[in-house]
Amino acid sequence: ETGVTQTPRHLVMGMTNKKSLKCEQHLGHNAMYWYKQSAKKPLELMFVYNFKEQTENNSVPSRFSPECPNSSHLFLHLHTLQPEDSALYLCASSQDAGGGTTNEKLFFGSGTQLSVL
Amino acid sequence: AQSVAQPEDQVNVAEGNPLTVKCTYSVSGNPYLFWYVQYPNRGLQFLLKYITGDNLVKGSYGFEAEFNKSQTSFHLKKPSALVSDSALYFCAATRYNAGNNRKLIWGLGTSLAVNP
Repeated sequence: ETGVTQTPRHLVMGMTNKKSLKCEQHLGHNAMYWYKQSAKKPLELMFVYNFKEQTENNSVPSRFSPECPNSSHLFLHLHTLQPEDSALYLCASSQDAGGGTTNEKLFFGSGTQLSVL
Repeated sequence: AQSVAQPEDQVNVAEGNPLTVKCTYSVSGNPYLFWYVQYPNRGLQFLLKYITGDNLVKGSYGFEAEFNKSQTSFHLKKPSALVSDSALYFCAATRYNAGNNRKLIWGLGTSLAVNP
């Protein structure tokens, strides 16, 4: 195990639903990340939090709303998603993000496989 | 545009044979380079990284990677493949953005299949 736990592992939701993805890390890290993984596309960095402060939002639509209540927990709130949002959503952590970015080793959770109907 | 290329979607190798997974990069400056592996239904796991120094970097599970600056390549290698090495392999590089911060850019991944 990598020390990063994501729940749920699978999620099916309709376009009008509201759901949340949860990530928890037990590594004492200060930076947490949300990535989107779609087939045939590079990993897309969505959000970065460093010491609980959001340091990066890569032009992510507002239907995705992150929350980082402390350095160990990260949420991704979802509402009115589109079918093209179906993907594997990965949470990661690292020691810190050095001003919003990192050259460090990332620790990933197993992801939430999201299907939007 | 700065990018990382993994020219092979899939690599097939027999168990016990050496394996190579290719990666080339087009990133300005002196990027840091990484390999990650993703086993089925799992997140990515760090294998190794190159920052500076010796061009041959050793990592987890017997993998190593060779940095070649003139060819802008960072190929992943293993002398003797195992069936359990079958997974998706990602190459990544850091680049500087407009704010002079480092950003990770990822290749599309290469699926490695090791046949018994």
